[in-house]
Amino acid sequence: GAVVSQHPSWVICKSGTSVKIECRSLDFQATTMFWYRQFPKQSLMLMATSNEGSKATYEQGVEKDKFLINHASLTLSTLTVTSAHPEDSSFYICSARVPGGTLVEQYFGPGTRLTVT
Amino acid sequence: EDKVVQSPLSLVVHEGDTVTLNCSYEVTNFRSLLWYKQEKKAPTFLFMLTSSGIEKKSGRLSSILDKKELFSILNITATQTGDSAVYLCAVSQGGSEKLVFGKGTKLTVNP
Repeated sequence: GAVVSQHPSWVICKSGTSVKIECRSLDFQATTMFWYRQFPKQSLMLMATSNEGSKATYEQGVEKDKFLINHASLTLSTLTVTSAHPEDSSFYICSARVPGGTLVEQYFGPGTRLTVT
Repeated sequence: EDKVVQSPLSLVVHEGDTVTLNCSYEVTNFRSLLWYKQEKKAPTFLFMLTSSGIEKKSGRLSSILDKKELFSILNITATQTGDSAVYLCAVSQGGSEKLVFGKGTKLTVNP
């Protein structure tokens, strides 16, 4: 089956620093990847849609200058949280759509838990 | 505002019990409803439903969609401890790849 990996699985950083999270599709090429954020006991909230070779599309209320997304290849998308603050502490999950699959069938990575101190 | 509401938020049962999880939605231009199982980390895909009244089944899990009443149910029969997880319901809309998720139902199956 389609496998999506994320790195790191968890990270602790100091307030004001930047953190990069990688999302890789291991056995397929993903032209579209999605970045979600999940707060404790809350739903997955879509942050942005990342398309290979073009600018990401951000959801309303998500600061694109704070959450930088780069989808430079068909197997890798990165999310950089810039000038992180404690309120950015959350579980970040990426997903990728399998080419040829249904439009909304997405495979999720294992997630990255970010803690900002 | 588009929304997906799941109930109950949490459920504790004993092995062998049958459970029914609910998902109701209010979205514009509905296209499909998806169920996922999340065990601590990544959600894994269970079902995608697009047509009313057609049951999808996989082993002890089954799901059905009612597009008139705007809801779906996920049934799990003869529950096992390995079924313990958060079950997420998500809805997609026409013209978009975006999924709108509910908060999930946390199911705990005790031996």
